Amino acid sequence: QVQLQESGPGLVKPSETLSLTCTVSGGSVSSGSYYWSWIRQPPGKGLEWIGYIYYSGSTNYNPSLKSRVTISVDTSKNQFSLKLSSVTAADTAVYYCAREKQWLDYWGQGTLVTVSS
Amino acid sequence: EIVLTQSPATLSLSPGERATLSCRASQSVSSYLAWYQQKPGQAPRLLIYDASNRATGIPARFSGSGSGTDFTLTISSLEPEDFAVYYCQQRSNWPNTFGQGTKLEIK
Repeated sequence: QVQLQESGPGLVKPSETLSLTCTVSGGSVSSGSYYWSWIRQPPGKGLEWIGYIYYSGSTNYNPSLKSRVTISVDTSKNQFSLKLSSVTAADTAVYYCAREKQWLDYWGQGTLVTVSS
Repeated sequence: EIVLTQSPATLSLSPGERATLSCRASQSVSSYLAWYQQKPGQAPRLLIYDASNRATGIPARFSGSGSGTDFTLTISSLEPEDFAVYYCQQRSNWPNTFGQGTKLEIK
């Protein structure tokens, strides 16, 4: 059974960089069959796709966040990561990592990141 | 960006009743549409993909239909565990987008 687990700071100061890691177990990020995605959900609101990465390192980012987002993959650790720079209160959200094979079939439990001084 | 509009925002029904949820796309997404269920404090769960295919382990009471711009998720007879928020999502054009959700609540 594939499992994904997000980790990282739950509190980030405004203007700083949010950094999260997703550790995959029961499957491999090196599999050529999947993309690995980040999605976020502000408290009480809907879902926003941040971007995704393929094991080769190719990425695709939501244009609304593209200037601030970097997604990377570490196949040796079976992890992929998210960096979001210059954060503001509007970036406060639950951040999910997920596996995509055309659709998001496995998700992490999500981690709440609050942007506040 | 393709905008997905879900209706109604809230649907109040009783167990055993039939639920019909709608998702309308701002332009055609062909059949590249999925439905997810989200319960409080949980990640979304894939229910339906490619508009009408049930994901692994999803009960037969869930069905999806539609193509182009108009889609429907139907729950034939509501069970207590079905009360949740439902989202549609398209992957026809990047960025992939979600609808704003329909909350299915117990009447």
